[in-house]
Amino acid sequence: GAVVSQHPSWVICKSGTSVKIECRSLDFQATTMFWYRQFPKQSLMLMATSNEGSKATYEQGVEKDKFLINHASLTLSTLTVTSAHPEDSSFYICSARGDGFEQYFGPGTRLTVT
Amino acid sequence: AQSVTQPDIHITVSEGASLELRCNYSYGATPYLFWYVQSPGQGLQLLLKYFSGDTLVQGIKGFEAEFKRSQSSFNLRKPSVHWSDAAEYFCAVGGYFGGGSNYKLTFGKGTLLTVNP
Repeated sequence: GAVVSQHPSWVICKSGTSVKIECRSLDFQATTMFWYRQFPKQSLMLMATSNEGSKATYEQGVEKDKFLINHASLTLSTLTVTSAHPEDSSFYICSARGDGFEQYFGPGTRLTVT
Repeated sequence: AQSVTQPDIHITVSEGASLELRCNYSYGATPYLFWYVQSPGQGLQLLLKYFSGDTLVQGIKGFEAEFKRSQSSFNLRKPSVHWSDAAEYFCAVGGYFGGGSNYKLTFGKGTLLTVNP
């Protein structure tokens, strides 16, 4: 149980285009979903927290107009990187929380902006 | 502010040897503590968690961790390491930080485990 999927697992896009990443909780309802960014050989940096049906809460320093988060249902959250630039290249990981305090993580999405 | 410190950036052990990964945290209230493992290019897998009760918790893959409130520590241990345990290990503390209403995790910087044959 407690499986979280992400799609796509790897995406390459041109600078200036937008990319959407999906995060799904497959076998449980996620009251809250989280989006993280991870740079090579570094820890996870929380970008935002989203609750189903409400606006996401962004961490300080994260541009909400650049990283659009939509939590459309209890099993789906999406992160859209708008007008992507090479500095947005990173590993993006989502997680989902059900009724408890643990978070279950997706496999991550590698974004490369050329 | 809450923080998690993993003092060891990289640890190398021989297969079959015992392992202890250190984790210290700073948090004003009772912490929810976690250990996650990450293989290269993958997401994080929950190894074990501590919320309350018995301070020695058992996890998956033969791992255990002990919560010591007096030392603000939550060290991860395994009696005999297998080559497949080579990965990055993250300690995390969960809570409602900064007066916010959202629950979130704060991660340590991670410890990379290398296992020699």
